[in-house]
Amino acid sequence: QQQVKQSPQFLIVQKGGIPIINCAYENTAFDYFPWYQQFPGKGPALLIAIRPDVSEKKEGRFTISFNKSAKQFSLHIMDSQPGDSATYFCAASRGFGNEKLTFGTGTRLTIIP
Amino acid sequence: DVKVTQSSRYLVKRTGEKVFLECVQDMDHENMFWYRQDPGLGLRLIYFSYDVKMKEKGDIPEGYSVSREKKERFSLILESASTNQTSMYLCASSSSGRAETQYFGPGTRLLVL
Repeated sequence: QQQVKQSPQFLIVQKGGIPIINCAYENTAFDYFPWYQQFPGKGPALLIAIRPDVSEKKEGRFTISFNKSAKQFSLHIMDSQPGDSATYFCAASRGFGNEKLTFGTGTRLTIIP
Repeated sequence: DVKVTQSSRYLVKRTGEKVFLECVQDMDHENMFWYRQDPGLGLRLIYFSYDVKMKEKGDIPEGYSVSREKKERFSLILESASTNQTSMYLCASSSSGRAETQYFGPGTRLLVL
C-alpha cells in the first residue's frame, strides 16, 4: 500500500526554469512533510520540510506548497541550476513520537544547461 | 559533522549466501533504520530500531533480519540471499523525538548472482 504518491518519475527542465514535483498522501494523521535530495553516489539528505499549519515554506530557491484539503504538497525550485540535478523524495510522518517516514517513489530531476 | 557509515559501497554475493550489511553512526542517535532503494519504488523501510536490542519490522521485512547490540551499530542480515534482493541498501539514523530528520549513509549496492 503506497501511502505517498509522487509524480513525475522523471523531469527534465532547462536552466532557469521552475521544476515542480508533486506528492499526494492518504493518511490524514500525517503532520510532517519533508523533502529529501539525493545526489548520485550519496544517501538522501533533508532539503526542506513543512507542517500543515502553513500553506507555503521557502528556503532559498526551494519552496514547498501545501494543500491540506486536497492532501497534496509540492516542491518548486526557482531559477533551477544544473547543480540541482538529483533525485528528490517527498515523505510524510505522523510526527512526534512516531519515528517512521513514509517516502514517495522519487523524481529524477535533470536541469539542462 | 554528522556521519553515518556503511561497511561496503559495493558487494557481490551468490544466491544462498548469508550477507551482513553494517551501519555505524557517530551522533549518539537512538533510532536507526534500514531501507532498500529500487528505481520506481523509492525508499522502502525494511527494519528499524528505537534502542539497543530493540527492533521493529518495517514494510518489507521478509527475507531480512537485524541486530543492534550497540547503540551506534545496526546490522542488516540476509539469511539466504536471493536475486530479488539485489538492490541499493541505505542505513539512516535519527534522534529520539526527531525522527523526521533522518541522516543517511552513502548506501551499499548489493548484487546477488
